[in-house]
Amino acid sequence: EDQVTQSPEALRLQEGESSSLNCSYTVSGLRGLFWYRQDPGKGPEFLFTLYSAGEEKEKERLKATLTKKESFLHITAPKPEDSATYLCAVHLTQGGSEKLVFGKGTKLTVNP
Amino acid sequence: GAVVSQHPSRVICKSGTSVKIECRSLDFQATTMFWYRQFPKKSLMLMATSNEGSKATYEQGVEKDKFLINHASLTLSTLTVTSAHPEDSSFYICSARRTNLWETQYFGPGTRLLVL
Repeated sequence: EDQVTQSPEALRLQEGESSSLNCSYTVSGLRGLFWYRQDPGKGPEFLFTLYSAGEEKEKERLKATLTKKESFLHITAPKPEDSATYLCAVHLTQGGSEKLVFGKGTKLTVNP
Repeated sequence: GAVVSQHPSRVICKSGTSVKIECRSLDFQATTMFWYRQFPKKSLMLMATSNEGSKATYEQGVEKDKFLINHASLTLSTLTVTSAHPEDSSFYICSARRTNLWETQYFGPGTRLLVL
């Protein structure tokens, strides 16, 4: 069965303390991996798409990387405004239709 | 950026009543709209996919007679939770995709439904 697992479930960092979030997947027919940011009571906001192993993308303090079985979201020198839940999702074809399958997310808290 | 709105943002209703949630793409025409449900500490789960003018495609385990989806135009989709029960209480999020690329999927702010 297709599965997307994110770890850790929650992460607390001090401002400036770099770290990484993990998204591992066991899916067949992967067509892309997405990272989103979700603030409390809001819908997800698109961050990155990765398509092939070895691919990397950066945006400000965030960098996403992809291997054949997992993706990492690296956060360099985070700030309190980076506090949010980060979701990963895999784009796959299932039962003849395309869909995004989401992980449960990692709740990041950055303390000043 | 593209904007997707949802209305209402919060709704409280009595068990047995029906609730309608609207999803609008404000500045683009959406080829496809999606409805998701999110329980606390759980994954965002796709409920159904809808294209304008055609019947929605429901995910396995989602009751189509309970969660009625109408996609009347390229900018509006509605989800009606019929005969709501407390277990239907959840955060419902819609999204609209501007093109066939998943990078152009934009999410609404969500609707918090509480069924008493």
